[in-house]
Amino acid sequence: LAKTTQPISMDSYEGQEVNITCSHNNIATNDYITWYQQFPSQGPRFIIQGYKTKVTNEVASLFIPADRKSSTLSLPRVSLSDTAVYYCLVHGIRGATNKLIFGTGTLLAVQP
Amino acid sequence: NAGVTQTPKFQVLKTGQSMTLQCAQDMNHEYMSWYRQDPGMGLRLIHYSVGAGITDQGEVPNGYNVSRSTTEDFPLRLLSAAPSQTSVYFCASSPAGPFGYGYTFGSGTRLTVV
Repeated sequence: LAKTTQPISMDSYEGQEVNITCSHNNIATNDYITWYQQFPSQGPRFIIQGYKTKVTNEVASLFIPADRKSSTLSLPRVSLSDTAVYYCLVHGIRGATNKLIFGTGTLLAVQP
Repeated sequence: NAGVTQTPKFQVLKTGQSMTLQCAQDMNHEYMSWYRQDPGMGLRLIHYSVGAGITDQGEVPNGYNVSRSTTEDFPLRLLSAAPSQTSVYFCASSPAGPFGYGYTFGSGTRLTVV
């Protein structure tokens, strides 16, 4: 499984756009990139998943360059409730490759 | 549609006792996993299953057993509880398919071993 590297923490203010970048130099051809959000005392929650280029849903956007060695989670106009830990994961989606190995994640602190 | 249900939510065990953490999902998901999360740390994979009757070890399997006799249930057994197993345990499930839609996590079981 590809190892991921992301910042330990980030600070932002309400209303700003936040971009969290994840490095995954050893990503395999069949790997997907998935981001999860976790609030204290809760299980992680799926945010977005992509393979290449750009993916957007109602919550976030995910930008993946052509070489796929990194990805950027973009959260538009964050609010205080977006304060959480954000995990970047790289994994397959079939059989034994579809298991999640979590790193330490990025603690995003949103200030008023 | 309840999603992923974990029971109990809280448990205190004495060292050496055994117990089973229950996990059930009603989404007909093929993939299920168990994680533990220690304070201030990320989640670590204990065991996972890619379908009924198929299980495999994750990153930290020692001291834990699993079985998957049905699609819906994936219990985690602590054979002889130790203080080092004090943690929050999360169960998760995911559908199979050409494009994964992500894992759904349960609300967790907070276990204390004294």
